[in-house]
Amino acid sequence: AQTIHQWPVAEIKAVGSPLSLGCTIKGKSSPNLYWYWQATGGTLQQLFYSITVGQVESVVQLNLSASRPKDDQFILSTEKLLLSHSGFYLCAWRDRVHQAPLFGEGTRLSVL
Amino acid sequence: SQWGEENLQALSIQEGEDVTMNCSYKTYTTVVHWYRQDSGRGPALIILIRSNEREKRSGRLRATLDTSSQSSSLSITAAQCEDTAVYFCATDRNYAQGLTFGLGTRVSVFP
Repeated sequence: AQTIHQWPVAEIKAVGSPLSLGCTIKGKSSPNLYWYWQATGGTLQQLFYSITVGQVESVVQLNLSASRPKDDQFILSTEKLLLSHSGFYLCAWRDRVHQAPLFGEGTRLSVL
Repeated sequence: SQWGEENLQALSIQEGEDVTMNCSYKTYTTVVHWYRQDSGRGPALIILIRSNEREKRSGRLRATLDTSSQSSSLSITAAQCEDTAVYFCATDRNYAQGLTFGLGTRVSVFP
């Protein structure tokens, strides 16, 4: 069975500090991968997507970057956090069998 | 209903009542996804309806899709406390790019 794991579960970071969030999908090869951001009480805003290793497309620029260093790994990062980066970050995957994206449990980020 | 510039909608009902939430989308789609999100958790797909289905049922859930009016609805019959969650509709820009989510409807079911 496929599993999706996000890390860390939660982070508290200072403004101006760097950030790296991770997502790993096990049991599935070559999935499409997605990063979403959600403000408290808000909807999901897509940030990035990747259909293959080494290729990442940006949907919304929020002073964040993403990389896909391995087929099963998706990384979200920034060198300098802003207060506006606070929120809930969600990773998702899909393939031609599972037509609907399936989400991880998310990372709660608080920037102070 | 969801989408556009409306704020997240909130509905409060009692156990046993029925509830319907609506979703209007802007771009053409052949599939509407409905997700529910429990507090502090990732969204979970609850029903997916395609343009050739018009109506789809899953347990106490019923989804409809009207591509001519670009709208979809999700109904919960005889709501229970465990149905308390935020419900989102979502459409595909295309398969690769992923989903665009509506603003969501917060449903609170009270005993």
